[in-house]
Amino acid sequence: DAGVIQSPRHEVTEMGQEVTLRCKPISGHDYLFWYRQTMMRGLELLIYFNNNVPIDDSGMPEDRFSAKMPNASFSTLKIQPSEPRDSAVYFCASSPDTYTEAFFGQGTRLTVV
Amino acid sequence: AQSVTQLGSHVSVSEGALVLLRCNYSSSVPPYLFWYVQYPNQGLQLLLKYTSAATLVKGINGFEAEFKKSETSFHLTKPSAHMSDAAEYFCAVSAVNRDDKIIFGKGTRLHILP
Repeated sequence: DAGVIQSPRHEVTEMGQEVTLRCKPISGHDYLFWYRQTMMRGLELLIYFNNNVPIDDSGMPEDRFSAKMPNASFSTLKIQPSEPRDSAVYFCASSPDTYTEAFFGQGTRLTVV
Repeated sequence: AQSVTQLGSHVSVSEGALVLLRCNYSSSVPPYLFWYVQYPNQGLQLLLKYTSAATLVKGINGFEAEFKKSETSFHLTKPSAHMSDAAEYFCAVSAVNRDDKIIFGKGTRLHILP
């Protein structure tokens, strides 16, 4: 397996634009996590899914953020409209369950100007 | 609910010296504990994990950690630091209950001095 695949690796967008981040988890993993990493706040869990169903979205900062998992092999994190304070590295991770290791993607570095 | 605290956001050690990164956890049920490492511009990767077997856990790159229930600690150590160990290290905790999410600490950046 190629591991967790995220795209794009880098995204630069203007304030107010819609941004969509994509993630392909490892095949067979039932759990998918979206994290945001910044210098100020560290690694924050935004939302996680179990079998494509959102379980906990309490970390999603605002209604401008939304996440979907239409099938077991694909998830998106959307920000609409984007703001400069959304600039961060966004990680997707997948796991067979919540008590063994999570496998992380390489991340998407988002810059909103 | 679980939580994890990493003491020290930055730690500096000389090359060849002992590395000690501290992690304390809180959990109402038997925990699973993890250490992850993040190199620059990369995602997190697992160093080692404790899942209720041996209390001394050995990981990759010469790292090990000891689970001490009485101290609620899971400190990460390496006898001799190498320049390539410079990275950010995250302690994490989860539990056996389904849908208990993995909780990460805020991370400790390890600097290796020549």
